[in-house]
Amino acid sequence: SAVISQKPSRDICQRGTSLTIQCQVDSQVTMMFWYRQQPGQSLTLIATANQGSEATYESGFVIDKFPISRPNLTFSTLTVSNMSPEDSSIYLCSVGARDREETQYFGPGTRLLVL
Amino acid sequence: GENVEQHPSTLSVQEGDSAVIKCTYSDSASNYFPWYKQELGKRPQLIIDIRSNVGEKKDQRIAVTLNKTAKHFSLHITETQPEDSAVYFCAASRAGTYKYIFGTGTRLKVLA
Repeated sequence: SAVISQKPSRDICQRGTSLTIQCQVDSQVTMMFWYRQQPGQSLTLIATANQGSEATYESGFVIDKFPISRPNLTFSTLTVSNMSPEDSSIYLCSVGARDREETQYFGPGTRLLVL
Repeated sequence: GENVEQHPSTLSVQEGDSAVIKCTYSDSASNYFPWYKQELGKRPQLIIDIRSNVGEKKDQRIAVTLNKTAKHFSLHITETQPEDSAVYFCAASRAGTYKYIFGTGTRLKVLA
């Protein structure tokens, strides 16, 4: 499976600020996704990161709050904008396997605490 | 909207016993069902998956069964070991979307 990295691994931020999380894959992949995992909870899909076009957001998530970039087939960023303590979560990117795109592999996650 | 229910939320078993986790999905168009294991502080790791054209799949001590009619699928772990202790998530995906809806998770504790 692809090697997936995320930066930063963790951060502590002040409310009202923004944080950009990077996701890097060691090979080209078509499908990339961003998830949120609130403390002690399950994973919720934020959006599908589309290469060369706007991301596709799930219900309850909007571009102004979670802008996403996907400049190429190996890289994506998620920005958490105008943060509040409710945004404290783990943010994970995932990629579809090259030979089986329905199968997703996850990055290590970014643990965000908003004060 | 579509959802996936997962039970139980916590499960404690003695080492060597079997563990069963059950999920029910609502979207009849779902055709792919992966299971992930997440250890504390780690990323979710795919442990087994099944497609809707298969009723059962096994990989060593882990097996998954699917009942399309009832829209539920289950994870079976036999001969449990302390290192099986983790949170397990089921998910369902509709054909062509590649988007996952996750269950709420099961915290499995294997007691030595």
